[in-house]
Amino acid sequence: QLQLQESGPGLVKPSETLSLTCTVSGGSFSSSSYSWGWIRQPPGKGLEWIGSIYYSDSTNYNPSLKSRVTISVDTSKNQFSLKVTSVTAADTAIYYCARHGDSYGSGSSTYYFEYWGQGTLATVSS
Amino acid sequence: EIVMTQSPATLSVSPGERATLSCRASQSVSTNVAWYQQKPGQAPRLLIYGASTRATGIPARFSGSGSGTEFTLTISSLQSEDFAVYYCQQYSNWPLTFGGGTKVEIK
Repeated sequence: QLQLQESGPGLVKPSETLSLTCTVSGGSFSSSSYSWGWIRQPPGKGLEWIGSIYYSDSTNYNPSLKSRVTISVDTSKNQFSLKVTSVTAADTAIYYCARHGDSYGSGSSTYYFEYWGQGTLATVSS
Repeated sequence: EIVMTQSPATLSVSPGERATLSCRASQSVSTNVAWYQQKPGQAPRLLIYGASTRATGIPARFSGSGSGTEFTLTISSLQSEDFAVYYCQQYSNWPLTFGGGTKVEIK
């Protein structure tokens, strides 16, 4: 069974950079049919897609965050990472990493989220 | 950006009854809609993708329907473990967007 686990500092100061890593285990990571994403959820609120990265290292970001977000992959470690720069209190949220649906043999979009990590709370505060 | 609007915000249902949740897209997304269930303190769980295909291990009491701009998630007979928040998501266009959620609570 595929498992994803987020890790990173739980507390970040305003104006600094939030850095999180997602470690994937129990399944193939580097297959060209898989892509990976980050989603966040402010406490008590709904879900917001942050961005996704694909086998080719190409990325897609939410325009609302694009200027501050970078997602990268380290296939040697079965990990992908998120960096959010210049954080404010509005970036306080539970951050989830997730895998999109398997695109192998699919004739349609598979950019739903099939597997999720348990989430990690990142708080922005001085 | 495609806006996904869910209704109602809260649905009060008795165990054993049917629950019908709605999701409307601001423009056509074909059948590129997924539904998720989220319980307190847990990550969302994929229930439905392709508007009507149940994900692996999802009970048959969960069903999805719709295409274009109107979508429905139906829970045929609510069990105690089904009381949760449900989100729809479109994956037809970038950016990917979620609805605001429907909380299904015990009546």
